[in-house]
Amino acid sequence: EVQLVESGGGLVQPGGSLRLSCSASGFTFSAYAMHWVRQAPGRGLEYVSSIIYNGGTTYYADSVKGRFTISRDNSKNMVYLQMSSLRAEDTAVYYCLKDATGVGDCWGQGTLVTVSS
Amino acid sequence: DIVLTQSPDSLAVSLGERATINCKSSQSVLYSSNSKNYLGWYQQRPGQPPKLLISWASTRESGVPDRFSGSGSGTDFTLTISSLRAEDVAVYYCQQYYTYSWTFGQGTRVEIK
Repeated sequence: EVQLVESGGGLVQPGGSLRLSCSASGFTFSAYAMHWVRQAPGRGLEYVSSIIYNGGTTYYADSVKGRFTISRDNSKNMVYLQMSSLRAEDTAVYYCLKDATGVGDCWGQGTLVTVSS
Repeated sequence: DIVLTQSPDSLAVSLGERATINCKSSQSVLYSSNSKNYLGWYQQRPGQPPKLLISWASTRESGVPDRFSGSGSGTDFTLTISSLRAEDVAVYYCQQYYTYSWTFGQGTRVEIK
């Protein structure tokens, strides 16, 4: 069974940093691109970032470019999202997704990031 | 960025009746080289992460009931629930993957009338 488990969320002050982790199991992790999508409280879905199967190419939404960094460790079946210079508008549940040729066919339960003083 | 606009924002449908959700793209998501529309549909039930229903505009994912169907091409797409059941109460989102910077529609809330 495919499973994605996010961790690392929490309360952080504006301007602070946080690293999210996503642990994957149940599939050949190193063969798939992975993505992060977020959802602000009571709002819709917003694309954040993607990384291809071998980590060689990454993509970011304009809203996080230069502040967030996606990475992966295929030896540990992990994908990460390093977030810095956090703003109140980054407050959201962050979901980790497994790629299926451009869509997310498996989503984790999400981890909540709250940016507030 | 490609903008996806869903309509309506919400709808209330009686059990057993049809629900229709539209998704309009600001530019075509049809790749001419393979004739595929790079559009998916998701269902998000309350308190749950989204679940993929349909990819390539009309290909139902394994295990998705056949009362869910997707149609359309280019810039105009539709998700149809042919006979609404109580468990279909959710917010539905379209998503384009024509560009690697995905975008989602704003969501359509489906409720029971």
